[in-house]
Amino acid sequence: DAGITQSPRYKITETGRQVTLMCHQTWSHSYMFWYRQDLGHGLRLIYYSAAADITDKGEVPDGYVVSRSKTENFPLTLESATRSQTSVYFCASSELDRGPTEAFFGQGTRLTVV
Amino acid sequence: DAKTTQPPSMDCAEGRAANLPCNHSTISGNEYVYWYRQIHSQGPQYIIHGLKNNETNEMASLIITEDRKSSTLILPHATLRDTAVYYCIVPTDSWGKFQFGAGTQVVVTP
Repeated sequence: DAGITQSPRYKITETGRQVTLMCHQTWSHSYMFWYRQDLGHGLRLIYYSAAADITDKGEVPDGYVVSRSKTENFPLTLESATRSQTSVYFCASSELDRGPTEAFFGQGTRLTVV
Repeated sequence: DAKTTQPPSMDCAEGRAANLPCNHSTISGNEYVYWYRQIHSQGPQYIIHGLKNNETNEMASLIITEDRKSSTLILPHATLRDTAVYYCIVPTDSWGKFQFGAGTQVVVTP
């Protein structure tokens, strides 16, 4: 199916464990983004990527690692999960090489760290 | 980022036009205004964007003032499915590094 998909949709993990959230898009968009959204707050940018093998920090990168070995995938890893990382995580992609345009968001991954 | 200011909430009757204001007085000449919405628990959905001219698509119209310091998103005939949080965003650059504020919670009532 065409689009942007995140997996898993729901995840419960324990403090200190490593967990990876997956994001896959089928449009070959050059730009991809990871946001987190906490209860009652707007979305905050964690990391973004302008192309394969090019990533950069956003507003709240601490505790997260990303990679972009393939254009279509942009996994987000929590190296040692903490309770403060309990959140809903959204991935997005966009074809910004052609100028300002829309971004497409996934349905989100709800992560709970216990 | 150019800071945006939106009212925290507004109600709208079904079938009526919803006019959502946004102030962005520090916007630079080449910065675009974007509107997204987020229906409960879903990922944000793009609505429209513009630079200085008014824009219209199948979802909404965007009216930007001549001095570009404010804009209005117009949902011409609101439906119950338009109930959502609406975000007005002015990204720092065309990379789409959006900073989502609190947005406006719009509730469409029958």
